[in-house]
Amino acid sequence: NAGVMQNPRHLVRRRGQEARLRCSPMKGHSHVYWYRQLPEEGLKFMVYLQKENIIDESGMPKERFSAEFPKEGPSILRIQQVVRGDSAAYFCASSPLGLATQETQYFGPGTRLLVL
Amino acid sequence: ELKVEQNPLFLSMQEGKNYTIYCNYSTTSDRLYWYRQDPGKSLESLFVLLSNGAVKQEGRLMASLDTKARLSTLHITAAVHDLSATYFCAGGNNAGNMLTFGGGTRLMVKP
Repeated sequence: NAGVMQNPRHLVRRRGQEARLRCSPMKGHSHVYWYRQLPEEGLKFMVYLQKENIIDESGMPKERFSAEFPKEGPSILRIQQVVRGDSAAYFCASSPLGLATQETQYFGPGTRLLVL
Repeated sequence: ELKVEQNPLFLSMQEGKNYTIYCNYSTTSDRLYWYRQDPGKSLESLFVLLSNGAVKQEGRLMASLDTKARLSTLHITAAVHDLSATYFCAGGNNAGNMLTFGGGTRLMVKP
């Protein structure tokens, strides 16, 4: 059973470009979470999705950031017009039933975004 | 809003010694998680603590939860170099939507 998969693992963008980060949850998991980790800091929640629905986006910046989890295919975190402050590691996590059932979340390897 | 604080932020210890990492949280959270992260790697789930007084142990690591004090501890017994990593605690919010992480404790175990 493959774990949570993310790609790319490393992404370099110039200011103003777009970044697309992909996450495939573990098999059988329908809940996806995105977190951002700045250097030397803990992870900060961004968004929680189920298939075709955004459940909680309270941690998402209001502009330039969007997320989706389509019926088919991976979850996508999209950052438009990237700025240097977007440089961070972006982690995706998945769970089978959602945290309300006290399941743990399983994390992917992360995408390390560097904005030049 | 749940806030989670860990201390210490950095911990350098000798092999064979014992130490405790503390995790305080600000509001009611009925579950507490501990994760380990190696440099440049993802997070590995260590423990999930679901009730007051819960204690879990795996090898040289033992985690406990006191919901009345809003405190969780991660105790390291007879540390070895392989335990060098950053340890995060995280609280689950009552709506079940997210984990709120502490700032992490970077542990370095020296021979």
